[in-house]
Amino acid sequence: EVQLVESGGGLAQPGRSLRLSCAASGFTFNDYAMHWVRQAPGKGLEWVSSINWNSGSIGYADSVKGRFTISRDNAKNSLYLQMNSLRAEDTALYYCAKDLVRTTAITLPSSWGQGTLVTVSS
Amino acid sequence: EIVLTQSPATLSLSPGERATLSCRASQSVSSYLAWYQQKPGQAPRLLIYDASNRATGIPARFSGSGSGTDFTLTISSLEPEDFAVYYCHQRNNWPITFGQGTRLEIK
Repeated sequence: EVQLVESGGGLAQPGRSLRLSCAASGFTFNDYAMHWVRQAPGKGLEWVSSINWNSGSIGYADSVKGRFTISRDNAKNSLYLQMNSLRAEDTALYYCAKDLVRTTAITLPSSWGQGTLVTVSS
Repeated sequence: EIVLTQSPATLSLSPGERATLSCRASQSVSSYLAWYQQKPGQAPRLLIYDASNRATGIPARFSGSGSGTDFTLTISSLEPEDFAVYYCHQRNNWPITFGQGTRLEIK
């Protein structure tokens, strides 16, 4: 069974940094691309970033480009999101998701974790 | 950026009725359109990918259709557990985008 457990969320002041982690199990982690998707309180889903199996292909939403960095450690079955220069509008529940297809490409999120809440406020 | 517009914003129906949800893209996304279901307090669940393919474990009452810019999610006969928010999603062009959601509520 696929399990994705996010951690690292919390309260941060504007301009500060947080690092989110996602621990994966139940599948061969290095066979799949991975995604971060966020959801502001009471709002819809917003794609944040995706990374392919070997970190050779990475994409970011314009809203986080230059501030957030996605990475993965296949030896540790872990996905990360380094979030710098945080803003109030980054406040959201951050989901880690496994890609649908076992491939070198990035396709779409299939299995999702339960999320970790990030609150940016002074 | 491709904008996905979902309609209606809210759909009020009774169990047993047929639900038709729409997603329109601001430019062609080919068949790279997916549908997710989200219930309160839960993570999204993938229902349909590539316009018409049901994800693993999704009941046959859920079906998707369309290509290019106009897509439809149909639930043939609503079960009580189907009342939720539904999002469409495109991966044809980056940035990946989601629609704003359709809330399916019990009438």
